[in-house]
Amino acid sequence: DAKTTQPPSMDCAEGRAANLPCNHSTISGNEYVYWYRQIHSQGPQYIIHGLKNNETNEMASLIITEDRKSSTLILPHATLRDTAVYYCIVRASGGGADGLTFGKGTHLIIQP
Amino acid sequence: DTAVSQTPKYLVTQMGNDKSIKCEQNLGHDTMYWYKQDSKKFLKIMFSYNNKELIINETVPNRFSPKSPDKAHLNLHINSLELGDSAVYFCASSRGGHFSDTQYFGPGTRLTVL
Repeated sequence: DAKTTQPPSMDCAEGRAANLPCNHSTISGNEYVYWYRQIHSQGPQYIIHGLKNNETNEMASLIITEDRKSSTLILPHATLRDTAVYYCIVRASGGGADGLTFGKGTHLIIQP
Repeated sequence: DTAVSQTPKYLVTQMGNDKSIKCEQNLGHDTMYWYKQDSKKFLKIMFSYNNKELIINETVPNRFSPKSPDKAHLNLHINSLELGDSAVYFCASSRGGHFSDTQYFGPGTRLTVL
């Protein structure tokens, strides 16, 4: 799996868009970008994933740069319940059979 | 209905004991996993298992063993518990193949070894 780099923490005001960056400069052509989050004392939760096109679902949007060396997870209208540790994971499709590799992630704090 | 459930939520036990944590998924997935999250919050894969293959993280002591009575269950047995086994253990499941990176996690079991 390609290595990822995320800021250790970020703050965002409630109601504003939270933009979480992730660098993955060594990503390979067949590797996807996955985002998970872990709310305090809960299990990790899948958010979104993408290969090279931007993706959007009911939880978030994922913007991947054209060279695929970085990406941004966007929570369009952050709420207090979005306070969590967000993990960016890069891996080849179907590689999850041997488990996901979680880094330190970004601790996102939504301020009221 | 809870997609991935674990029991118990909390487990406090003495060193040297043997204990089990149960995991059930009702998503019809064919691959299940166990992860360990230590006091520093690092989340690491321990095992992944489907009906064909068990993949073991080489760092996991052989005191830990997964047992699957059927496709919907993957229990974790721990023998001769040690202080360092204290952690939160998460079960997860996924569909196989291309979809194995989208995993659904249980609520966790906090194990405390005294």
